[in-house]
Amino acid sequence: DAMVIQNPRYQVTQFGKPVTLSCSQTLNHNVMYWYQQKSSQAPKLLFHYYDKDFNNEADTPDNFQSRRPNTSFCFLDIRSPGLGDTAMYLCATSRDPGGTNTGELFFGEGSRLTVL
Amino acid sequence: QKEVEQNSGPLSVPEGAIASLNCTYSDRGSQSFFWYRQYSGKSPELIMSIYSNGDKEDGRFTAQLNKASQYVSLLIRDSQPSDSATYLCAADTGRRALTFGSGTRLQVQP
Repeated sequence: DAMVIQNPRYQVTQFGKPVTLSCSQTLNHNVMYWYQQKSSQAPKLLFHYYDKDFNNEADTPDNFQSRRPNTSFCFLDIRSPGLGDTAMYLCATSRDPGGTNTGELFFGEGSRLTVL
Repeated sequence: QKEVEQNSGPLSVPEGAIASLNCTYSDRGSQSFFWYRQYSGKSPELIMSIYSNGDKEDGRFTAQLNKASQYVSLLIRDSQPSDSATYLCAADTGRRALTFGSGTRLQVQP
């Protein structure tokens, strides 16, 4: 089945130790997103790729970076995680319907990160 | 002011009743709206999308949109315990990404 796959599903890291989360998709969607969701809060957009164009949200910490080497893969790098970065990280894809509209988002299972 | 606002709940309804979930949004330019269901510890899954004023029905679910009032709602008829989850409202604000509310937790009592 076509899907969005995130790895690892669970990651525990120490304060300041770099972490990379990965996302792959078989939907061939041109838009990929990374959202951060803390407990009982709304998913918060960190950045998204429209094809190869990278779009960073203004309030995304510099500590967070992303790479999209090809259509299928996208990575979230957290260079020096702090305790406040403990959260679920959600990767999502969509097929661009054109203009500035957003189509349905398809989410992966999420990567739950705990920073100790 | 948050862009998408929802009552956090919990909203508790008895099995078989109608659950009514509400959402307001601040950006009048928003064109499309989505309801996602999220079980605890899981990722969101799409329930309904709505683009035009009025009602849209899909099985037990009805989405309602009133752009003049900047209001979106989701009705769940014949609520089941398996409907117990957090329901996220999302708006497309024209930035090629969705803005989510913090969700309403629904509890359906058997």
